[in-house]
Amino acid sequence: NAGVTQTPKFQVLKTGQSMTLQCAQDMNHEYMSWYRQDPGMGLRLIHYSVGAGITDQGEVPNGYNVSRSTTEDFPLRLLSAAPSQTSVYFCASSYDRDGDQPQHFGDGTRLSIL
Amino acid sequence: AQSVTQPDIHITVSEGASLELRCNYSYGATPYLFWYVQSPGQGLQLLLKYFSGDTLVQGIKGFEAEFKRSQSSFNLRKPSVHWSDAAEYFCAVGARDDKIIFGKGTRLHILP
Repeated sequence: NAGVTQTPKFQVLKTGQSMTLQCAQDMNHEYMSWYRQDPGMGLRLIHYSVGAGITDQGEVPNGYNVSRSTTEDFPLRLLSAAPSQTSVYFCASSYDRDGDQPQHFGDGTRLSIL
Repeated sequence: AQSVTQPDIHITVSEGASLELRCNYSYGATPYLFWYVQSPGQGLQLLLKYFSGDTLVQGIKGFEAEFKRSQSSFNLRKPSVHWSDAAEYFCAVGARDDKIIFGKGTRLHILP
């Protein structure tokens, strides 16, 4: 029972490079989301999706793109990496978008931008 | 708009001592309330949740939380902490047709 799987676990990039953080879930969840976690800031929502083909912006979407072509996958793309995007990124999923649904989290991707 | 406040950034307790982590929320209707735990290098794991009914809810790992509507609080408690409880704890609030919101977290340190 894999749950939510994020790859890679660690990544170092140079400023201006692009990359894709992968997220996959095997629970047939409709709702998926991306957060970044920074010291003292808690979890901030970047983008979310309520189902395949539907995405929307969260609290801090600038510099990031998402797509949802399948129910299982929700990749996060950094278009041109900046040092301010150094963070730990978490993908989460739940049955649907309602706030009564517990979130299932991946183990995170630790990203450093030099 | 709903919001969640965890007033304590860090809490230090001795192993075997009791623990209470504070959480205050702001929401017009009865919210759905959650506590999550994040161990070092891990994602968040659900400890417990409150939707309705009994205001004292039991969770995993010996934790419990009490919903107090009059105080808009949902404090997390444990009678006796273990060294393995050292982690960061997040309170969260949700509502029907609305996204879940997380507090900024409380980091728990355990003294031997």
